[in-house]
Amino acid sequence: GENVEQHPSTLSVQEGDSAVIKCTYSDSASNYFPWYKQELGKRPQLIIDIRSNVGEKKDQRIAVTLNKTAKHFSLHITETQPEDSAVYFCAAHNFNKFYFGSGTKLNVKP
Amino acid sequence: EAQVTQNPRYLITVTGKKLTVTCSQNMNHEYMSWYRQDPGLGLRQIYYSMNVEVTDKGDVPEGYKVSRKEKRNFPLILESPSPNQTSLYFCASSLGLRNEQFFGPGTRLTVL
Repeated sequence: GENVEQHPSTLSVQEGDSAVIKCTYSDSASNYFPWYKQELGKRPQLIIDIRSNVGEKKDQRIAVTLNKTAKHFSLHITETQPEDSAVYFCAAHNFNKFYFGSGTKLNVKP
Repeated sequence: EAQVTQNPRYLITVTGKKLTVTCSQNMNHEYMSWYRQDPGLGLRQIYYSMNVEVTDKGDVPEGYKVSRKEKRNFPLILESPSPNQTSLYFCASSLGLRNEQFFGPGTRLTVL
C-alpha cells in the first residue's frame, strides 16, 4: 500500500511568519492530496486539496504545491495567526483508499 | 444542517463484549469511511464504502466489520473488542472519492 511521511512533527513560528509542512508519498498512482486541520478536541476539517494534474493551488493565506516526479507535496501558510495553531494532516488518495501522514503540530506564538 | 453524526461519543467496555458504533450522514454522500486515530500515527482507514452494499478493507481492518444497507448509515462493528482497539474513531463521508471528506465528531472507545 501507500506510505505517507510528514515532516516536521512539531513546528513553532512567530505570528506573521510563514509555515511549511512537507509530505512524501511512495506510490505514483496516488492522485488526490487533501490537507486537514484538527484543532484540539475537534474533528479534522479540510483546508485545501490538490489533484495530480495540478502543480499548485492557493486559497488566501494557504497554498499547496505538488511535485509528482519527486512524489512530494507541501502546505504553505503565510502570515500565520494564533488561530492557525492546530495539528495538520496530509493525505494521499490511492485506489479508493486514503493514507494519512502522522501529523504536524503547529504552534503560532503571538 | 448538513452533518455526519456518530454514537456513542464515549464508550468504555470490556474485552470480548460486542459493540456497534453508528454513523449517519444527511448529505446523500456515496463514499463513507471509518478511521482510527492514535497518537503519533495520524488517521488510519479501517473500512470504506463506495455505495450501498459496497464495502472494502482499508489499511487496518483486522478486528472490525462494517455494513452499508442504507446510503446514509455506515455502522462499525467490533465483535470481540480487545484493548489494542482502544482509540479515537472517526466516521467520514464525501460526495465522491476526490471530494472533501466531512468527519463526524468522533467516538472515544476504551476497551478494558
